[in-house]
Amino acid sequence: DQQVKQNSPSLSVQEGRISILNCDYTNSMFDYFLWYKKYPAEGPTFLISISSIKDKNEDGRFTVFLNKSAKHLSLHIVPSQPGDSAVYFCAAFDRGSTLGRLYFGRGTQLTVWP
Amino acid sequence: DGGITQSPKYLFRKEGQNVTLSCEQNLNHDAMYWYRQDPGQGLRLIYYSQIVNDFQKGDIAEGYSVSREKKESFPLTVTSAQKNPTAFYLCASAPTTVRRSGNTIYFGEGSWLTVV
Repeated sequence: DQQVKQNSPSLSVQEGRISILNCDYTNSMFDYFLWYKKYPAEGPTFLISISSIKDKNEDGRFTVFLNKSAKHLSLHIVPSQPGDSAVYFCAAFDRGSTLGRLYFGRGTQLTVWP
Repeated sequence: DGGITQSPKYLFRKEGQNVTLSCEQNLNHDAMYWYRQDPGQGLRLIYYSQIVNDFQKGDIAEGYSVSREKKESFPLTVTSAQKNPTAFYLCASAPTTVRRSGNTIYFGEGSWLTVV
């Protein structure tokens, strides 16, 4: 059962505009969320994270928003650049769990065109 | 430089053969993980280990085996029992304090396995 869901497999955005990638989760025990960026044939790289005690975290062009009541988070990229074209994975974590594993969504392919 | 090294980058396996993917980290991380990526499937957890000489099955452990004899190393063996082994394999590691400090999991560059 997919506990972290990214329902949009792809997103296409013009350079300079905003990219919004969405993620939903089902496990109410998740209290830490991360976004990873992945290029083809490479390992994912950490992008930004947010704790459940916050509803927003910003790092340069990247902002993550968390809506706990809706079990929804989103990643905003402003302005989008062609180099942002990659697969973006949402991941969630139960920090109270002894298992220490991340749960990943299936990813969203972002394409930023000039 | 600290990091995670996976080898080989590309590996071809014949039907019925076992193959082993290497993963080494010098980040002094306690936890290590193996994920598999298939198109449209995201990252699926195969095995993970929180400490030396201990490991747990993930969501798709059938046909795979691991060992954790050293903190730095977490090799994955893809056995002949794995029916569809062609995929991109990712090794990762994390400090055990990730639960409290919010540190993240770090990934290697991945290994492509193809059955021929």
